[in-house]
Amino acid sequence: NAGVTQTPKFQVLKTGQSMTLQCAQDMNHEYMSWYRQDPGMGLRLIHYSVGAGITDQGEVPNGYNVSRSTTEDFPLRLLSAAPSQTSVYFCASSSRVRGSYNEQFFGPGTRLTVL
Amino acid sequence: QQPVQSPQAVILREGEDAVINCSSSKALYSVHWYRQKHGEAPVFLMILLKGGEQKGHEKISASFNEKKQQSSLYLTASQLSYSGTYFCGSISNFGNEKLTFGTGTRLTIIP
Repeated sequence: NAGVTQTPKFQVLKTGQSMTLQCAQDMNHEYMSWYRQDPGMGLRLIHYSVGAGITDQGEVPNGYNVSRSTTEDFPLRLLSAAPSQTSVYFCASSSRVRGSYNEQFFGPGTRLTVL
Repeated sequence: QQPVQSPQAVILREGEDAVINCSSSKALYSVHWYRQKHGEAPVFLMILLKGGEQKGHEKISASFNEKKQQSSLYLTASQLSYSGTYFCGSISNFGNEKLTFGTGTRLTIIP
């Protein structure tokens, strides 16, 4: 199993550009999430999904869109990049235990810089 | 709302013990602990569920006080490999699918 994969690993954008961060998992997990990590801020939840066709907002959803058309894929779209979106982005997936998250598996991260 | 962790940072000598605390202003259904080493992705340590069920690491223990809305992670006889940043995450109630994390506790183990 590849686990959780993310592409690209590094990306530099100019302000106003759009792009999609890709995330895929091969563990048939129901839950998938996107987090951003900034120094001193921990992991902040952007969007999450509890199954194909179902998504919801996390703590910091503004400027990002998601969709989940399949169980495996959960792409994150930046609509119009801003310098404040410079961060490391992690995708994670998890099965369900007792109605909640089981162990989350994180992808290797995407380091994004917006100039 | 993010859970609050304390301390923010701690330095220990190899073999010493550490306690990392996590508290929430909301009632907790589950608490999740992860460790992240510099430049890497977070790695799962433990889940504590309301009602006392635990799943996780053999050498690391944790407690979950539902009434106080707190959890503590206990690292005993620390090893150099324990160095990293520890995050607690919380789910506020059954069926709530928002897993939010605290800002982390940086643990440094020195020989």
